Amino acid sequence: DQQVKQNSPSLSVQEGRISILNCDYTNSMFDYFLWYKKYPAEGPTFLISISSIKDKNEDGRFTVFLNKSAKHLSLHIVPSQPGDSAVYFCAASAFNNAGNMLTFGGGTRLMVKP
Amino acid sequence: EAQVTQNPRYLITVTGKKLTVTCSQNMNHEYMSWYRQDPGLGLRQIYYSMNVEVTDKGDVPEGYKVSRKEKRNFPLILESPSPNQTSLYFCASSRGQGRKQFFGPGTRLTVL
Repeated sequence: DQQVKQNSPSLSVQEGRISILNCDYTNSMFDYFLWYKKYPAEGPTFLISISSIKDKNEDGRFTVFLNKSAKHLSLHIVPSQPGDSAVYFCAASAFNNAGNMLTFGGGTRLMVKP
Repeated sequence: EAQVTQNPRYLITVTGKKLTVTCSQNMNHEYMSWYRQDPGLGLRQIYYSMNVEVTDKGDVPEGYKVSRKEKRNFPLILESPSPNQTSLYFCASSRGQGRKQFFGPGTRLTVL
């Protein structure tokens, strides 16, 4: 059973508008969340993260919101640009003595139309 | 340039023929890991290593082996590959406990 889910496999938005990507998780032990962006033929690259002690983290056009009671996080991209077209993965981490195993969602393909 | 490199980038092989995918990082990271990406399943961790000679299983370790004899290298070994190991493989590294991980470019493996 997937502990991290991205229920929208794809999303299409117009350039300049807001993109909202969603992610749900089930494991209440997760205490750190990350978003990765992946272009074809490349490895995922880190985009933004949030600790469970916060509910919002902002970095330029990218903002991640965390709702712990709903076990839900979202990534907002404002304004969206054609170069943002990629697959976005949500990941969650639970710290333990063995290190941090990242659990990934299935990904959402974002297409930003000019 | 700080990077994680993987070789080969593409590999087609046959069932049962042992293979190794190499991974190297130049950032002096303690933590390294291997993932496989399959459609709709995201990335699933195969093995990880917190430092030299310290490795442990991830979510999907069956059919894989790893070793960590040097800090910079973390090879993935498939002793007897099978078609269900056809996938896109990523190596990653990070400082410390492995939260913000840096990924290599990926290795696309096809097992016939």
